Amino acid sequence: AQKVTQAQTEISVVEKEDVTLDCVYETRDTTYYLFWYKQPPSGELVFLIRRNSFDEQNEISGRYSWNFQKSTSSFNFTITASQVVDSAVYFCALSEAWNTDKLIFGTGTRLQVFP
Amino acid sequence: EAGVTQFPSHSVIEKGQTVTLRCDPISGHDNLYWYRRVMGKEIKFLLHFVKESKQDESGMPNNRFLAERTGGTYSTLKVQPAELEDSGVYFCASSQTIPGLFYEQYFGPGTRLTVT
Repeated sequence: AQKVTQAQTEISVVEKEDVTLDCVYETRDTTYYLFWYKQPPSGELVFLIRRNSFDEQNEISGRYSWNFQKSTSSFNFTITASQVVDSAVYFCALSEAWNTDKLIFGTGTRLQVFP
Repeated sequence: EAGVTQFPSHSVIEKGQTVTLRCDPISGHDNLYWYRRVMGKEIKFLLHFVKESKQDESGMPNNRFLAERTGGTYSTLKVQPAELEDSGVYFCASSQTIPGLFYEQYFGPGTRLTVT
């Protein structure tokens, strides 16, 4: 069965701290895709990144970085030098190759960054 | 370019009433999706349209939910009659389709439905 687990319900940090959001997934497929979405207070889900199961290279985009490890079925997201504008709910999601249109989400992690 | 829009942003209805949610996808996007998030839980897939056809409705909870996409443009999701457990945030998303390429789903702000 497919499942995404985000064990951290809520994280609070002070500005400029680094923070890592954990994501663990389960799938029987060998080909799949992993995603992170950000939900700011305005409500819409904003796409951040997509990785496929054959590409385990870590990715960095500005203050954001992602660590994909197939050995532990994890796709963790790190924000370096957090800012107040990073406050949001972050969702990790999975889709499998046989049905890439169906996103399977975790329960989300609420990040609060205090000044 | 306008994003995915949803109407209304909030709806409060009584148990047994009917509610219709609307989604306008990004222009030119053939794929349209509905998802739902019940308070504190994961966002769950409801169904997927390709143009006006239902491609996958495996996530629809029961026959009180009816989704339509007339003419392959906007979509409506009707709940009739509404039950307390239908409360949650209903998200709509859309994406392009070009064979062989992968396109991300773009989400709207959601409709918060409260059934009392």
